[in-house]
Amino acid sequence: EVQLLESGGGFVQPGGSLRLSCAASGFTFNIYSMNWVRQAPGKGLEWVATIGSSGFSTYYSDSVKGRFTVSRDNSKNTLYLQMNSLRAEDTAVYYCARDIMQLWYIFDYWGQGTLVTVSS
Amino acid sequence: EIVLTQSPGTLSLSPGERATLSCKASQSLSSNFLAWYQQKPGQAPRLLIYGASTRATGIPDRFSGSGSGTDFTLTISRLEPEDFAVYYCQQYGTSPRTFGHGTKVEIK
Repeated sequence: EVQLLESGGGFVQPGGSLRLSCAASGFTFNIYSMNWVRQAPGKGLEWVATIGSSGFSTYYSDSVKGRFTVSRDNSKNTLYLQMNSLRAEDTAVYYCARDIMQLWYIFDYWGQGTLVTVSS
Repeated sequence: EIVLTQSPGTLSLSPGERATLSCKASQSLSSNFLAWYQQKPGQAPRLLIYGASTRATGIPDRFSGSGSGTDFTLTISRLEPEDFAVYYCQQYGTSPRTFGHGTKVEIK
């Protein structure tokens, strides 16, 4: 059974940093590209970042480019999102999601999400 | 950026009725690269349809997708109680990949 379990969310002040993790199990992690998608409270879905299966290719939305870094450790079956220079508008539930195939951007499995709150 | 406009914002129907949800793209989608997701309160989204009309693994056949170019439709042939949720369309052919704002299907 495919499982994705996010952790690392919490409360942070504007300008602060946070690192999210997503532990994957139930599938061969190192052959799938992986994604972060977020959802602000009461709002819709927003794609944030994608990383290729090997970790060498990364892609970001304009809203987070230069502030967030996506990475992965295939030996630990874990996806990460390092978030720096956080802003109030980054407040959201962050989901990790598996890509149905390498860099297709179709999200076939999702974690339950971790809430990030940016506030002073 | 491709903007996806979903309508209606809310659809009020009874179990057993047919639901028709619309998603219109601001420009033609290459190779019909459109997906649909279902999200229930407090839960993660679930993939229903991709390639405009291909059901994802385990999705019941009462869910169907159609359309091409800029106009796409998700149809739920007969609503079951568990189908009342928010539905999002997503285009995945052009960067940045974007979602519509959702259609809520509520019990009438």
